[in-house]
Amino acid sequence: DQQVKQNSPSLSVQEGRISILNCDYTNSMFDYFLWYKKYPAEGPTFLISISSIKDKNEDGRFTVFLNKSAKHLSLHIVPSQPGDSAVYFCAASGPLTGNQFYFGTGTSLTVIP
Amino acid sequence: EPEVTQTPSHQVTQMGQEVILRCVPISNHLYFYWYRQILGQKVEFLVSFYNNEISEKSEIFDDQFSVERPDGSNFTLKIRSTKLEDSAMYFCASTIGSVSYNEQFFGPGTRLTVL
Repeated sequence: DQQVKQNSPSLSVQEGRISILNCDYTNSMFDYFLWYKKYPAEGPTFLISISSIKDKNEDGRFTVFLNKSAKHLSLHIVPSQPGDSAVYFCAASGPLTGNQFYFGTGTSLTVIP
Repeated sequence: EPEVTQTPSHQVTQMGQEVILRCVPISNHLYFYWYRQILGQKVEFLVSFYNNEISEKSEIFDDQFSVERPDGSNFTLKIRSTKLEDSAMYFCASTIGSVSYNEQFFGPGTRLTVL
């Protein structure tokens, strides 16, 4: 049962443009969401998070939007840079969903110089 | 900056052999986790560990798997009799508190290859 889904396995964007990565979830008990970035042969690194009491969180070039009614979150990267090329995972957790994060399958972002 | 470390970076083993993957979580963290990622697939939860016992485990974490915190710093994952399908990247992670509103810090991973 895939509770967190990233339906786009890959995305290509021109340098300087906006990258929008999407994530959907099915479990309404999730209340904390994170985005991780992963380079090949490295572990995931935390990028940005949002709790369900907010609908937007911004950190520099990265903004996460949460639409609870649609059970959808998105990560916006503006402007995109070649160094942003990586696999991006969204993850979710909740107080009643167990002591683990549920990960999506990842979206591979390529920023073209 | 504190980080989670894992050794070895790459482990090659024969099917049926035992392997131990090692992790050193961030020193003041209290919750520890193992995840795995089969090539091209999602990151899958294996087990969480708190207060010297397993707090949660997935259906992947069967009797062939065990975890241990043998001392104050190491956190190990043992696979007793490896199978071909155990080939994957194994990530250790730690959090200062539970997953509620705490980010997990991941190690660089151990690539396990079972031949």
